[in-house]
Amino acid sequence: GAGVSQSPSNKVTEKGKDVELRCDPISGHTALYWYRQRLGQGLEFLIYFQGNSAPDKSGLPSDRFSAERTGESVSTLTIQRTQQEDSAVYLCASSLDGDRGGGTDTQYFGPGTRLTVL
Amino acid sequence: GENVEQHPSTLSVQEGDSAVIKCTYSDSASNYFPWYKQELGKRPQLIIDIRSNVGEKKDQRIAVTLNKTAKHFSLHITETQPEDSAVYFCGTGANSKLTFGKGITLSVRP
Repeated sequence: GAGVSQSPSNKVTEKGKDVELRCDPISGHTALYWYRQRLGQGLEFLIYFQGNSAPDKSGLPSDRFSAERTGESVSTLTIQRTQQEDSAVYLCASSLDGDRGGGTDTQYFGPGTRLTVL
Repeated sequence: GENVEQHPSTLSVQEGDSAVIKCTYSDSASNYFPWYKQELGKRPQLIIDIRSNVGEKKDQRIAVTLNKTAKHFSLHITETQPEDSAVYFCGTGANSKLTFGKGITLSVRP
């Protein structure tokens, strides 16, 4: 079936502008994650949604970052007043049921959005 | 919080040789240990994972071994091929949150 999709694939913006990144998880997956990957670096956890529970926002680097998810569908990551250090690839992943099964579930990644802040 | 480290940071092997990548972690509550492969410009792809009730898992040329007492797990690739060249990330999971290492770049010389 269809995998995780993200849009746009590339986004170039000017410093100080707001950007919105979109993630469509695999159909039926209740858990959704956002990660940031700076050039040549690892995957940095940002936020985790599980069904209708309150999201785990512990990885958001500042209050300029926020994310929303409606039910168990699309999620948007918003970065306000972008800074040059926000330049990175933003990856979304989804999993079937997060931790409801008692163990961490396999996460499937989208292709990412490459954000460049000039 | 969890601290995940990968060793070495880069590895170069001759085609046909074996490659071993080690990952250490700090959180004893971690119970899920995936390995992801990321080719240049592509998304991370799960190649193998292991859960804490298992010590070893194998899938064709790749295997993962887990030592929970010592808090480390390793990825083993046998008969390496040029298409194995990529960045490999280990992760540790507890309560649905994955923490990743910084990745290791594996180069397979033809």
